[in-house]
Amino acid sequence: AQSVSQHNHHVILSEAASLELGCNYSYGGTVNLFWYVQYPGQHLQLLLKYFSGDPLVKGIKGFEAEFIKSKFSFNLRKPSVQWSDTAEYFCAVTPKAAGNKLTFGGGTRVLVKP
Amino acid sequence: DGGITQSPKYLFRKEGQNVTLSCEQNLNHDAMYWYRQDPGQGLRLIYYSQIVNDFQKGDIAEGYSVSREKKESFPLTVTSAQKNPTAFYLCASRDSHSGNTIYFGEGSWLTVV
Repeated sequence: AQSVSQHNHHVILSEAASLELGCNYSYGGTVNLFWYVQYPGQHLQLLLKYFSGDPLVKGIKGFEAEFIKSKFSFNLRKPSVQWSDTAEYFCAVTPKAAGNKLTFGGGTRVLVKP
Repeated sequence: DGGITQSPKYLFRKEGQNVTLSCEQNLNHDAMYWYRQDPGQGLRLIYYSQIVNDFQKGDIAEGYSVSREKKESFPLTVTSAQKNPTAFYLCASRDSHSGNTIYFGEGSWLTVV
């Protein structure tokens, strides 16, 4: 069974700082990878996803993530954060062969100070 | 508008009572899911259904039950056997035509008093 680990539970940074959230997964086969975001009081939204091709994926709101297969990682980045990026971020993985089961990491709460 | 609707948004339940959370989708998705979200633990899969009249246990199915009589609907019952039912419950459905992207409803807060 697959598992996902997010290294940081809480991140606090100032506006305009760069953000990088770590995500590692364990699964022997090929996977689809996702980052979801949950803004305060809102439901989970898809930020970006990787299926195949270019390992650098660009998502909404200036976010990007890089899939490094050799490291089983899918880290999320944003060069310059805004106060409105305050949210909880979840990495998730689903095996390509059986896309029915999406496994989430524990989440990272990001607080951006104005 | 197409989407996933969960109800109620907030629910209080006395210990020993069963409660059913509703989830309806009009996205024509075959697969539907129930997740539970607890602080620091991310989302954990309770049950999922890939097709009408079929469902499978997820990672934490004990104390829960589901049914899938219609494609649009996947209600979750939290039974009195669930030891720690107070949580935020999320329903989701999967779009198999876009790389299995999963879309979520707005969630239901259940508090057991």
